[in-house]
Amino acid sequence: RKEVEQDPGPFNVPEGATVAFNCTYSNSASQSFFWYRQDCRKEPKLLMSVYSSGNEDGRFTAQLNRASQYISLLIRDSKLSDSATYLCVVNDGTYKYIFGTGTRLKVLA
Amino acid sequence: EADIYQTPRYLVIGTGKKITLECSQTMGHDKMYWYQQDPGMELHLIHYSYGVNSTEKGDLSSESTVSRIRTEHFPLTLESARPSHTSQYLCASRSGGETEQFFGPGTRLTVL
Repeated sequence: RKEVEQDPGPFNVPEGATVAFNCTYSNSASQSFFWYRQDCRKEPKLLMSVYSSGNEDGRFTAQLNRASQYISLLIRDSKLSDSATYLCVVNDGTYKYIFGTGTRLKVLA
Repeated sequence: EADIYQTPRYLVIGTGKKITLECSQTMGHDKMYWYQQDPGMELHLIHYSYGVNSTEKGDLSSESTVSRIRTEHFPLTLESARPSHTSQYLCASRSGGETEQFFGPGTRLTVL
């Protein structure tokens, strides 16, 4: 079992739709959580950190559920430019960052 | 926008050659990382550094070596490239007081 698991997708959604991704992690000692966006053949870029109380940045909302060991990302009013792979990343407070394989999103016109 | 740079961006090289992938950051970050990523796969840590003269191997076995003589510079060297080294190599850095990592644009390496 992988330490961080994501549904690889692809999620094909029409413009304007709301889409949600989940990510589960196995290490209960994990301390920091992130969503990164990665475009094809590019580097990952930080989308948002995920806080215990949940946080929102414009159309993006992230939630953390420590009891069930998952984090989620909600994208509202999807844009064509949101098409990318979304990486879930977990850190245990040490040097170690564990990356999921990513969930591919395609927003269709 | 993060100020972290990698050169070359693309490299095609023959088996047995020695190569050095460069990574520099101008943010004064003390922690730096090298990851390897194959298409459609997760990133795997191959080396990291807590600061000058501090380097450690990551979880993915790698035949590469790194050095950290200056805070801003973290080069990765392959003494003898092989086709199995074909991959994308991503450098990242972060401040000691923060948890977010910032990535360079990557080097796409092809070994023939």
